Amino acid sequence: SQTIHQWPATLVQPVGSPLSLECTVEGTSNPNLYWYRQAAGRGLQLLFYSIGIDQISSEVPQNLSASRPQDRQFILSSKKLLLSDSGFYLCAWRNGGILGDIQYFGAGTRLSVL
Amino acid sequence: AQTVTQSQPEMSVQEAETVTLSCTYDTSESDYYLFWYKQPPSRQMILVIRQEAYKQQNATENRFSVNFQKAAKSFSLKISDSQLGDAAMYFCAYRSTFGNEKLTFGTGTRLTIIP
Repeated sequence: SQTIHQWPATLVQPVGSPLSLECTVEGTSNPNLYWYRQAAGRGLQLLFYSIGIDQISSEVPQNLSASRPQDRQFILSSKKLLLSDSGFYLCAWRNGGILGDIQYFGAGTRLSVL
Repeated sequence: AQTVTQSQPEMSVQEAETVTLSCTYDTSESDYYLFWYKQPPSRQMILVIRQEAYKQQNATENRFSVNFQKAAKSFSLKISDSQLGDAAMYFCAYRSTFGNEKLTFGTGTRLTIIP
């Protein structure tokens, strides 16, 4: 069966420090991968999605970037964190090429920028 | 752009009773997908149910069912025989069938189960 791993679970970082959040999927190949952010008390906002290695689309201009160095690995990064980057970050995947198939989410990373 | 509206920030229901969560959406597309996700205190998003817009029949998953009214652009979730484990934030979400990968979420409804 497929599983999605996301780490770390929580992270406290000072303003101006770099960021690297990692997400990996097991049990499937060529998944579509997604990074979402959830601000406190709000719904999810799509940040990036990827349909293949080195194929990244950005939904919202951010202080963040994403990379997909391997088929089942998706990384969210920042060179210098801002206070506004605080939030809950969720990685998700779905079977690529199957319209309407479900997005499955990881357990999330709670990021606090101080 | 599509929008999803959940007008009930909070709802509560007595254990074993039935509750309905509301969701409306705005789109100019004729074919799309709708989802309800549950987010318990652990914060992981869990799929509850999905509906394909071209299907007139309402989706059902055990105690969870939807009332999909395409013309009214309404997609409500009914939870029957509510259980303590149903307590969570519930998010309605929309996805186009045309190339756009984005799930557009509503702002959520916090459901409390009263023992």
